Amino acid sequence: DAKTTQPTSMDCAEGRAANLPCNHSTISGNEYVYWYRQIHSQGPQYIIHGLKNNETNEMASLIITEDRKSSTLILPHATLRDTAVYYCIVHSGYSTLTFGKGTMLLVSP
Amino acid sequence: DTAVSQTPKYLVTQMGNDKSIKCEQNLGHDTMYWYKQDSKKFLKIMFSYNNKELIINETVPNRFSPKSPDKAHLNLHINSLELGDSAVYFCASSQTSGRQNTGELFFGEGSRLTVL
Repeated sequence: DAKTTQPTSMDCAEGRAANLPCNHSTISGNEYVYWYRQIHSQGPQYIIHGLKNNETNEMASLIITEDRKSSTLILPHATLRDTAVYYCIVHSGYSTLTFGKGTMLLVSP
Repeated sequence: DTAVSQTPKYLVTQMGNDKSIKCEQNLGHDTMYWYKQDSKKFLKIMFSYNNKELIINETVPNRFSPKSPDKAHLNLHINSLELGDSAVYFCASSQTSGRQNTGELFFGEGSRLTVL
C-alpha cells in the first residue's frame, strides 16, 4: 500500500472546522483512502473512506483531490472530544491496514 | 453490546511468565487481527486470521501464538514474557469480500500488558 504523509500535530478551536491534510502521491488506482482516529486510551475508530469522490457521513467529510495525490478530512464543528490522533491510510484490500504516525489534533476551548 | 471485546483490560506480570489475552467479536466478521502499540504509540500488525486460518504473521517472536477456536474468537498467548513485550495489544475484526479485506476495522479497547 502507498505511503502517506501527515503533519505531526494541529490545533483547532472548539466549534471551528478542523481540516486535516494528507499527502499520498504514490497512490495506485485501486487504493482507497481511509481515515481513523484514536482517542487517548481507546482503540482506533474508523471514520470514513473514499476512492475518488468526496464522501460525507455523520462524523466527517473527506475531500480527495482530482489527481488523488492528497486528501483532507474535515470535522465541521470540532468539539473537545475530537482531540485525538488522526490516521490517514491508503489501502488496497490485498494487505492489512498499516498505521503511520498520524496527526495529533488538539481541540481547545 | 460491545462489538469487539478484549479481556483482561490490564495485565501486570513478571518476566518469564506465560499469559493470554482473549478477544471476541459479535459482528459476524470473518477476519480478526492482533495489533501491538508500543510506548512510542506506533500501531503494528502482528497477526491476521481469516475464518480461523492464519493469513498474516508479521515478524513476531514465536513466543506469541494466536489461537482461533472459531471465527468469533482470536486469543493471544504469550510465553516467557520479556520486558519488551510491555505494550497495549489491540484486537480488531473486519469482513472480507472475496479475496479483499475491507479497510473498515472494528477495534477493541485494548489490553495493557506490563511486564516487570
